[in-house]
Amino acid sequence: EIVLTQSPGTLSLSPGDRATLSCRVSQSVSSTLLAWYQQKPGQAPRLLIYGASSRATGIPDRFSGGGSGTDFTLTISRLEPEDFAVYYCQQYGSSPRYSFGQGTKLEIK
Amino acid sequence: QVQLQESGPGLVKPSETLSLTCTVSGGSVRSYYWSWIRQAPGKGLEWIAYVHDSGTTDYNPSLKSRVTISVDTSRNEFSLTLRSMTAADTAVYYCARVRLGDISLTAFDLWGQGTMVTVSS
Repeated sequence: EIVLTQSPGTLSLSPGDRATLSCRVSQSVSSTLLAWYQQKPGQAPRLLIYGASSRATGIPDRFSGGGSGTDFTLTISRLEPEDFAVYYCQQYGSSPRYSFGQGTKLEIK
Repeated sequence: QVQLQESGPGLVKPSETLSLTCTVSGGSVRSYYWSWIRQAPGKGLEWIAYVHDSGTTDYNPSLKSRVTISVDTSRNEFSLTLRSMTAADTAVYYCARVRLGDISLTAFDLWGQGTMVTVSS
């Protein structure tokens, strides 16, 4: 079973800062299989990035994804107040078909 | 636009069976893969299962023995049954659509608002 480990657990930054979130996968995966979500309190997750670097429909270009093999990143170039939330990475595999990281909480410093 | 709405009991007794339904509005349930995902209080996300109107299903091995997922094209909805519920099954249950298009099937692009299910006597 593939395990996704996100770091840091909590990231404290200010609006306007650049945020870099990490997702490490326990074995090498194709970058096409990695996605990122944003979840705000009391809301469902929202797809941000699929295929490691493709933005989903309606996602601002300050969100970008990258990486390959076992190490992937989500970068938010200039934090807006509405970006403070929990972020999850997710991979598509074989067993289980989909698995998620434990999440990174992005909080206002 | 397409919207998903979960429905079902908010409270289930231990050892009983949970039945949830996700109604698809503004679009058809046909041709897509549909999933259930849950989130225990204060925890991360756990994929449960998916179904396609062709009859194709897949389950998380950790839950497979207790779960059934199905789709009803005539009612434009899909459902989840989870048997032998315990306190560990207390969670928000989300229904979601598996993304099609370039790099299909690898992510969930549409989610319901979620429904909280508590297991307690």
